[in-house]
Amino acid sequence: DVKVTQSSRYLVKRTGEKVFLECVQDMDHENMFWYRQDPGLGLRLIYFSYDVKMKEKGDIPEGYSVSREKKERFSLILESASTNQTSMYLCASSSPGQGALDGYTFGSGTRLTVV
Amino acid sequence: AQTVTQSQPEMSVQEAETVTLSCTYDTSESDYYLFWYKQPPSRQMILVIRQEAYKQQNATENRFSVNFQKAAKSFSLKISDSQLGDAAMYFCAYRRGGTSYGKLTFGQGTILTVHP
Repeated sequence: DVKVTQSSRYLVKRTGEKVFLECVQDMDHENMFWYRQDPGLGLRLIYFSYDVKMKEKGDIPEGYSVSREKKERFSLILESASTNQTSMYLCASSSPGQGALDGYTFGSGTRLTVV
Repeated sequence: AQTVTQSQPEMSVQEAETVTLSCTYDTSESDYYLFWYKQPPSRQMILVIRQEAYKQQNATENRFSVNFQKAAKSFSLKISDSQLGDAAMYFCAYRRGGTSYGKLTFGQGTILTVHP
């Protein structure tokens, strides 16, 4: 019954590494999102995509990029990981229009530690 | 830009009692939606309740209800007959209506502890 799958639950990477976080949804949703969650700050939007190959910056895009080659998959890329990118990363998807009432469907998160 | 504020980092309640979590937001829009999400230790975010801004009636879902005060831009969540399974982080969220691609703006979260 899993609908949004994030490839890793825990990840440890070294400073300077290129890191890929993968997210796959099986609900045929147009919109997909990447958030990071930090204590006291809640969830902050990094990037979102409303269609294949389309992407928009969120509130904190610096140091990140994304890729959406297929509708069901949305990847978050840390070009050169830094310790301040240690965080919980949440992927979500949604439908447009009437789907607004349904909110998001979330993945279960990837806790990334950069050492 | 829209902002959402949860001023209570932590709250606690006795089992079977009632607790209210606070949320305020700031927007110049008239068409929007408000949500409460629950994040238990499993991390899986679950939609608890939603409210459309154009509806004056407060939303209710079983033991969960909201007090939506549009003029005051306040959206509090009331949990009645609290259960141990209600222990979680709760997030208030705002979404603009129309073609906004569904971006949600979240508050800082409130950790709810339920004491047996």
